[in-house]
Amino acid sequence: RKEVEQDPGPFNVPEGATVAFNCTYSNSASQSFFWYRQDCRKEPKLLMSVYSSGNEDGRFTAQLNRASQYISLLIRDSKLSDSATYLCVVNMDSNYQLIWGAGTKLIIKP
Amino acid sequence: ETGVTQTPRHLVMGMTNKKSLKCEQHLGHNAMYWYKQSAKKPLELMFVYNFKEQTENNSVPSRFSPECPNSSHLFLHLHTLQPEDSALYLCASSQEDRPTYEQYFGPGTRLTVT
Repeated sequence: RKEVEQDPGPFNVPEGATVAFNCTYSNSASQSFFWYRQDCRKEPKLLMSVYSSGNEDGRFTAQLNRASQYISLLIRDSKLSDSATYLCVVNMDSNYQLIWGAGTKLIIKP
Repeated sequence: ETGVTQTPRHLVMGMTNKKSLKCEQHLGHNAMYWYKQSAKKPLELMFVYNFKEQTENNSVPSRFSPECPNSSHLFLHLHTLQPEDSALYLCASSQEDRPTYEQYFGPGTRLTVT
């Protein structure tokens, strides 16, 4: 089993729709969780951290489910500019290293 | 001023060449990282430096040699690379080398080994 697993997509979604995707992680002792966004041929940038109580920033909501070992990202009222690859990032408890998922590609269509 | 800069942005090199990648951060951070990103694959952490000291080396082949002269500069020296080393090499920095700190990335160097 991969340490951090994501559906590669692409998710093709009409503008204005709501879209959600998950990321599963293998280490039950993981403590830090993040969503990064990577635009085509650009560097990753932090979208949001994921806390135990969840996190909301405008149209974006992130949730953590420790029992099932996954984090989720929900995007409401999607915009064309939301088209990107969304990277799930988790730390492994044995050290401070972050493990990156391969990303979920999202395409918002007009 | 751009937070993390990398040069060159593109590099084509033969298997017998020696070249270096440069990274500079203007954010006052103490930790710097080298990552490799191949197509359709997750980012692979290569090296971590904290306060100029190497704290992680993820079993990277010796043909990749990092150098961190100070907290603002990071180099990756390349020699006798293989075609499978072709990838995007990303530099990042964070306040410290702990996972709770956001990592800021440079634009990357796209390396092609012929």
